[in-house]
Amino acid sequence: DTGVSQNPRHKITKRGQNVTFRCDPISEHNRLYWYRQTLGQGPEFLTYFQNEAQLEKSRLLSDRFSAERPKGSFSTLEIQRTEQGDSAMYLCATGDGRVQETQYFGPGTRLLVL
Amino acid sequence: SQQGEEDPQALSIQEGENATMNCSYKTSINNLQWYRQNSGRGLVHLILIRSNEREKHSGRLRVTLDTSKKSSSLLITASRAADTASYFCAPRSTDSWGKLQFGAGTQVVVTP
Repeated sequence: DTGVSQNPRHKITKRGQNVTFRCDPISEHNRLYWYRQTLGQGPEFLTYFQNEAQLEKSRLLSDRFSAERPKGSFSTLEIQRTEQGDSAMYLCATGDGRVQETQYFGPGTRLLVL
Repeated sequence: SQQGEEDPQALSIQEGENATMNCSYKTSINNLQWYRQNSGRGLVHLILIRSNEREKHSGRLRVTLDTSKKSSSLLITASRAADTASYFCAPRSTDSWGKLQFGAGTQVVVTP
């Protein structure tokens, strides 16, 4: 257990529905990252926060995706109008923001869109 | 792209043998990190090597870094069945602002 928690661990939804995932970071970490991982691939960066500010978004993050970190603590990732191609593992990681930062990953939320 | 690329894609060994995997990258880095992922689970940080370091050890792990060749290697000595996992390198470039860019990883299977 790295100290980063994610909920839910699994989510099955029908195409077109909205889903929201939550990440609770290690409390003293000011950076929070979201990654997406499909089968047989490494994690792909989606977005990250420094405290409550969203500082970078990948081009992978379409308009249907939105992420928030309202008080600089937990974060949510919402996918609107889900598509089958959104099926993946969504990973959250947190770090202390140093140049030599280690990122600590949560267990992930596995999404299946039917 | 600063994405790490691991080689080989897959590795099958017996318990007690050593496992070596390599990583190549393209631009200047602050450090390079190795992570392990057991099937269907989150990633676990193994070791970080800074750009001014050439070799680092942690338990049964040995990591080397050659910035002139833009490559790194991870050696697992005396492998165990529990080492069965996917291994990813993640170079952190000097302009990456913190994000890690993973390759497809090396899938290691250790048979008893």
